[in-house]
Amino acid sequence: KQEVTQIPAALSVPEGENLVLNCSFTDSAIYNLQWFRQDPGKGLTSLLLIQSSQREQTSGRLNASLDKSSGRSTLYIAASQPGDSATYLCAVKHTGNQFYFGTGTSLTVIP
Amino acid sequence: GAVVSQHPSRVICKSGTSVKIECRSLDFQATTMFWYRQFPKQSLMLMATSNEGSKATYEQGVEKDKFLINHASLTLSTLTVTSAHPEDSSFYICSALTGGYYGYTFGSGTRLTVV
Repeated sequence: KQEVTQIPAALSVPEGENLVLNCSFTDSAIYNLQWFRQDPGKGLTSLLLIQSSQREQTSGRLNASLDKSSGRSTLYIAASQPGDSATYLCAVKHTGNQFYFGTGTSLTVIP
Repeated sequence: GAVVSQHPSRVICKSGTSVKIECRSLDFQATTMFWYRQFPKQSLMLMATSNEGSKATYEQGVEKDKFLINHASLTLSTLTVTSAHPEDSSFYICSALTGGYYGYTFGSGTRLTVV
């Protein structure tokens, strides 16, 4: 059974700092991996999607990497801003529709 | 982009009563909807998959008679928690298969508290 772990569970950084969120998964036979942002009362917003054949994806200040063989992904956020404060979820998917989510990292960016 | 509207966002109910959660696809037809729940300090877990016009498929350990899912139209899926108990208190969120780059759109979630 796929298990997804995110470290750290919570992170607090001053504004402007670069940071890395970590995600690991036990079954490397994934179809893709996705990073989401979860804001209270606003559900989940997709940030980056990495297919199993890809190594990384970038969108603005966000960069996600994937090392499928070792079961790891990282989300790098550059020049953090208070508006980045949210919970970040990592989820993997095999063929089929089910997402396997991590427990998330709660990020607070201090102005 | 595709939007899934989920209501209510928060609900508090008494033990033994039933609660209905709605998810509507606003600008597309959702043939398939997924229902997840998240207990405190745990990850989102898939409860069931519903296809319009047919019975939902429940994940192992999810009681189909307790969590009634109706997907009678292409724009509306409902989850009814029947005879709710405090252990059903959780965060429930729906997701629709939308295709496109990300493939799925999530609702905003419902925080259910049973007292």
